[in-house]
Amino acid sequence: GEDVEQSLFLSVREGDSSVINCTYTDSSSTYLYWYKQEPGAGLQLLTYIFSNMDMKQDQRLTVLLNKKDKHLSLRIADTQTGDSAIYFCAESASSNTGKLIFGQGTTLQVKP
Amino acid sequence: DTEVTQTPKHLVMGMTNKKSLKCEQHMGHRAMYWYKQKAKKPPELMFVYSYEKLSINESVPSRFSPECPNSSLLNLHLHALQPEDSALYLCASSQARLAGVEQYFGPGTRLTVT
Repeated sequence: GEDVEQSLFLSVREGDSSVINCTYTDSSSTYLYWYKQEPGAGLQLLTYIFSNMDMKQDQRLTVLLNKKDKHLSLRIADTQTGDSAIYFCAESASSNTGKLIFGQGTTLQVKP
Repeated sequence: DTEVTQTPKHLVMGMTNKKSLKCEQHMGHRAMYWYKQKAKKPPELMFVYSYEKLSINESVPSRFSPECPNSSLLNLHLHALQPEDSALYLCASSQARLAGVEQYFGPGTRLTVT
């Protein structure tokens, strides 16, 4: 079945880079997403990558996709305290229903 | 305008009450979603509407009843809920019910069942 896994917690110092990792099982997933959720808020789509791409960069965010290993990562450069949040990796379900399969979420703590 | 709005922000209800959650978007999106999110957990899909028709029901108990009165509005009617139904209920919308189409989420309704 479809499954997405992430480590649960990451702590970094302000100004450092953060790397959040994710593995997924469905090799037919066409799109992979990173969402950010701040306390008490909904989910904000940060970026997504199509499965035929290896890398996507958007300002401080870099997404790397290793399709062979089914590994996705999100790198945040120059991490700020405002980046503290839960980050969810998600894949689009192979049934193409619009359904997203989410990982458990990685809590990013940024220390000043 | 890329905003999905949800009302109310917070709701406390007893197990015998009937209440409704509301969601609205004015982006012309034709797919709308209800998710349930427990604390420290990822969102779980409940329902998907496509062109105002229910297309996915993820085996949700009948005490949750969705309704899509028009392309901009999505309701979730609640009746005879249990304390374990307490959660953050998130609404989302997208242009279509397809992979790769961005889903925009609302801020959610924090529901407490007493």
